[in-house]
Amino acid sequence: GAVVSQHPSRVICKSGTSVKIECRSLDFQATTMFWYRQFPKQSLMLMATSNEGSKATYEQGVEKDKFLINHASLTLSTLTVTSAHPEDSSFYICSATNLAGGDTGELFFGEGSRLTVL
Amino acid sequence: GQNIDQPTEMTATEGAIVQINCTYQTSGFNGLFWYQQHAGEAPTFLSYNVLDGLEEKGRFSSFLSRSKGYSYLLLKELQMKDSASYLCAVRDSNYQLIWGAGTKLIIKP
Repeated sequence: GAVVSQHPSRVICKSGTSVKIECRSLDFQATTMFWYRQFPKQSLMLMATSNEGSKATYEQGVEKDKFLINHASLTLSTLTVTSAHPEDSSFYICSATNLAGGDTGELFFGEGSRLTVL
Repeated sequence: GQNIDQPTEMTATEGAIVQINCTYQTSGFNGLFWYQQHAGEAPTFLSYNVLDGLEEKGRFSSFLSRSKGYSYLLLKELQMKDSASYLCAVRDSNYQLIWGAGTKLIIKP
């Protein structure tokens, strides 16, 4: 199956700093990438959808100025958590898909990034 | 509104069979996915149904009835490593994925 790589897998930062998480599709062109966060024992919560070359679409309640998403190429999307606070500590997961060409649009997930803000 | 319902938790015995149900109400339908997620890890794809019927993949099978807004994931010959959360997700008419809260499956020896 297709491979999506997410980096870093774990990050610890101080309150007030910014953290960037990268999501790369290694063997296919990802027309669309999704960013999720997941709190312990809860399901995935979609934060935003990004299409290559355009601005991300954020879900209701997600601050776009706090969670900056850039999808500059068909293989890379980044999520930057700006001025992180302890309540931003969570498991962030990216996924990628290719909705073009009649593909099923199956989601391929990155390994996830566990953010801990001290 | 859009809604996906699946049981919160299920328990089964190693070697047995378990069926995890998922019912949905969404704005349109463009496929239903089942994902497996072990604690602390990202989800992994199990199955995709877009037409009614049963899709079989080894020990795992997934069934869909679009008219009933219903799907199930069937796991046979359960192994301890099958202990995980199983997420049902439906893609709506806007190609947005609507996620269920997941079913935590506990396998006992």
